[in-house]
Amino acid sequence: AQSVTQLDSQVPVFEEAPVELRCNYSSSVSVYLFWYVQYPNQGLQLLLKYLSGSTLVKGINGFEAEFNKSQTSFHLRKPSVHISDTAEYFCAVSEMDSSYKLIFGSGTRLLVRP
Amino acid sequence: DAGITQSPRYKITETGRQVTLMCHQTWSHSYMFWYRQDLGHGLRLIYYSAAADITDKGEVPDGYVVSRSKTENFPLTLESATRSQTSVYFCASSESRLAGAAYNEQFFGPGTRLTVL
Repeated sequence: AQSVTQLDSQVPVFEEAPVELRCNYSSSVSVYLFWYVQYPNQGLQLLLKYLSGSTLVKGINGFEAEFNKSQTSFHLRKPSVHISDTAEYFCAVSEMDSSYKLIFGSGTRLLVRP
Repeated sequence: DAGITQSPRYKITETGRQVTLMCHQTWSHSYMFWYRQDLGHGLRLIYYSAAADITDKGEVPDGYVVSRSKTENFPLTLESATRSQTSVYFCASSESRLAGAAYNEQFFGPGTRLTVL
């Protein structure tokens, strides 16, 4: 069965500092990988996705993530965060043969301080 | 308005009452989904639907009922609400895989915050 682990429930960081949000997954088959962002009192918005090809994927708002198959990881990074990046970030996976089902991690709250 | 909407946005009810959460999308997407979001669990799939009149259970279906008589609507009913069903509920939709893409993005509604007293 698939599972997604986001070890950090909260990540505090100062404005303009770099940040990395960690995501590890477990699956017996090939997967697609996603990062979603949830701003306060809003629904989820897709930040970026890995389907195939280059392991470094770029998303919206300056975020990027790298797929590492050997470490089964898909960590999210941003070189310089803004106050407006404060939100909840969810990593998710979907098996390639049933791509309509998403399995989410428990989320990481990114708190950007001035 | 175009997109995916949920109603009500906030609901307080009592244990044992029936509650229906509504979800409406204007894209004619084939797939629709219901998730619940709880602290420490992320989002968990309750039910999904591949098309009108086709529904299937997700990870946490107990205590919930769904129907899909029209492509654009996917109501979720709690037949006898319990305190453990206090949560934030998200509806999502996506195109069918037959549309040709390897993966079709799920688009999420704004959520319904349900409190069961």
